[in-house]
Amino acid sequence: DIQVTQSPSTLYVSVGDRVTITCRASQSINNWLAWYQQKPGKAPNLLIYEASSLETGVPSRFSGSASGTEFTLTISSLQPDDFAVYYCQQYHTDATFGQGTKVEIK
Amino acid sequence: DVQVVESGGGLVQPGGSLRLSCAASGFTFISYWMHWVRQVPGKGLVWVSRIKGDGSRITYADSVRGRFTVSRDNAKNTLYLQMNSLRAEDTAVYYCARGTISGASYFDHWGLGTLVTVSS
Repeated sequence: DIQVTQSPSTLYVSVGDRVTITCRASQSINNWLAWYQQKPGKAPNLLIYEASSLETGVPSRFSGSASGTEFTLTISSLQPDDFAVYYCQQYHTDATFGQGTKVEIK
Repeated sequence: DVQVVESGGGLVQPGGSLRLSCAASGFTFISYWMHWVRQVPGKGLVWVSRIKGDGSRITYADSVRGRFTVSRDNAKNTLYLQMNSLRAEDTAVYYCARGTISGASYFDHWGLGTLVTVSS
């Protein structure tokens, strides 16, 4: 099974900060990685697919990148609406989610 | 607008059965892979199962294989999850999620979820 290890588990940030969340896959997944945002009591919302493709309607402050088996979600300037939990997910083989990163107010 | 709406959750005893439904609208249902994903409240997301648009290919997570059965009725635009031999660890919110036409298993539309509680 392919594992994805996401870090950090919690991030304390302020509005306007640049935020970086990392996922590492246990083997090559050919950039088959997605990122989601989830707010309390809501379903996840797709942000990025294929490691760096921005889903339609998602603000351009969100971006994704890849280097080998390491993947990064970047929020260029955190907005108040961005406090949430973020998950990565590999879909090279079935689907596996990372453990989640909670972005909290500093 | 694309919509998927789950129903059928509830309280069931260990060893019992439950069938979840997911009504889809706003897209050509038969063209898309559909998935079930679950989440224990306060915990992370876990993929459960997927089914191809024409129903010809099905995959399960190891944790549910042999106990859960996914199916779809394309005439009714509805996805199902039959859950048998339920265990306490199956307690979760179950989400129906739309995959892609190509088979890439990322999810661009999710339902609100339906809560399944397995307890005596």
